[in-house]
Amino acid sequence: KAGVTQTPRYLIKTRGQQVTLSCSPISGHRSVSWYQQTPGQGLQFLFEYFSETQRNKGNFPGRFSGRQFSNSRSEMNVSTLELGDSALYLCASSFDPGESYEQYFGPGTRLTVT
Amino acid sequence: AQSVTQLDSQVPVFEEAPVELRCNYSSSVSVYLFWYVQYPNQGLQLLLKYLSGSTLVKGINGFEAEFNKSQTSFHLRKPSVHISDTAEYFCAVIHNNAGNMLTFGGGTRLMVKP
Repeated sequence: KAGVTQTPRYLIKTRGQQVTLSCSPISGHRSVSWYQQTPGQGLQFLFEYFSETQRNKGNFPGRFSGRQFSNSRSEMNVSTLELGDSALYLCASSFDPGESYEQYFGPGTRLTVT
Repeated sequence: AQSVTQLDSQVPVFEEAPVELRCNYSSSVSVYLFWYVQYPNQGLQLLLKYLSGSTLVKGINGFEAEFNKSQTSFHLRKPSVHISDTAEYFCAVIHNNAGNMLTFGGGTRLMVKP
């Protein structure tokens, strides 16, 4: 079974631009979560989607948004990029939240904002 | 609110020696506990989890962890480490009824020396 895939793997953007990151979960998985990883703040939860509905949201500004499609693929968008948005963005999928709690992480998208 | 503290940011150890990575959490409600490993330029991989039952949990790659409710700890151990265990290790919790929202500790870098 293919793992979680994230595209693109690397991205360089300029301050003020916007960016869209994509995540394809493991086949059959219906829950997708997003995390931001930075050296200063560590791993922080962004949001979780299940069956196209946002179930949980972390403490991030409204510039960070996401969505999930009917095939469970998910995208996250960051508008008006700031230097501090430079990070590794990780996506994780699971079959059904609240059961095994086993999440499978993708390799991440490394975003650099200049 | 819940938080996770990993007491050591770096742990150097010689190959074939035992190791313990410490994790303490604070939460006013029940939590589920996890250890993840991250190799360079990769996503996170689940090592083991505690949801309920036996407080000694065995995971992959010879790792185990013990849940201690009175000390709110979930320390990770391995009796004999290998060079290939060199990686970053993250302790994490999920609050009961919080879906898949993981709260991570700051991470411990395990450095195995020959």
